[in-house]
Amino acid sequence: QVQLVESGGGLVKPGESLRLSCAASGFTFSNYYMNWIRQAPGKGLEWVSYISSSGESSDFADSVRGRTAISRDNAKKSVYLQLNSLRAEDTAVYYCARSYQYKSGWSPGFDYWGQGALVTVSS
Amino acid sequence: AIQMTQSPSSLSASVGDRVTITCRASQDIGDALGWYRQRPGNAPKLLIYAASHLQGGAPSRFSGSGSGTDFTLTISTLQPEDFATYYCLQNYDYPWTFGQGTKVDIK
Repeated sequence: QVQLVESGGGLVKPGESLRLSCAASGFTFSNYYMNWIRQAPGKGLEWVSYISSSGESSDFADSVRGRTAISRDNAKKSVYLQLNSLRAEDTAVYYCARSYQYKSGWSPGFDYWGQGALVTVSS
Repeated sequence: AIQMTQSPSSLSASVGDRVTITCRASQDIGDALGWYRQRPGNAPKLLIYAASHLQGGAPSRFSGSGSGTDFTLTISTLQPEDFATYYCLQNYDYPWTFGQGTKVDIK
């Protein structure tokens, strides 16, 4: 069965960095776009970033652009989110989720999600 | 970015009730709209994709309709496990954006 397992969350101080990992299993990882979505405590969902199936393209939300990098290793079936210059407002549960992108550009959205990794930014 | 406006933000209902949640996009998104249910402490789960298509494994009491800018999620007969927060998501253009959520609680 499809599984996505995030790791790497924790407590960091403002200005520090953190790398989140998401390990995938149960599907052909290299066929799927991978995404990160976050949820601040008691708040709604915010898409953060995606990376294409090959890793050639990616994009970021304005709220993290310039401070964040996304990468993937298809051999290890893993996707990574590097968070730099962290701020208190980056405190959230970070979910990884897969999405399939047809050649037309159409996608059915996030069909599988991990259980999330909590990142807390506090001094 | 495309803005997604959900209504209501919360509602109270009883088991067996019919519930309707709406989502409005700030521009035409065709049918690039999904609905997700999030139970407390859990990750969201896809219920409906492409506005009206039931995701595999999702209960048939969930249905979606709409296109363009106005969309609806209907739960035909509310079950105990449906007391949760529901989000719409536009996946027409990046950044993909969610509605603010609709919390369904017990009356």
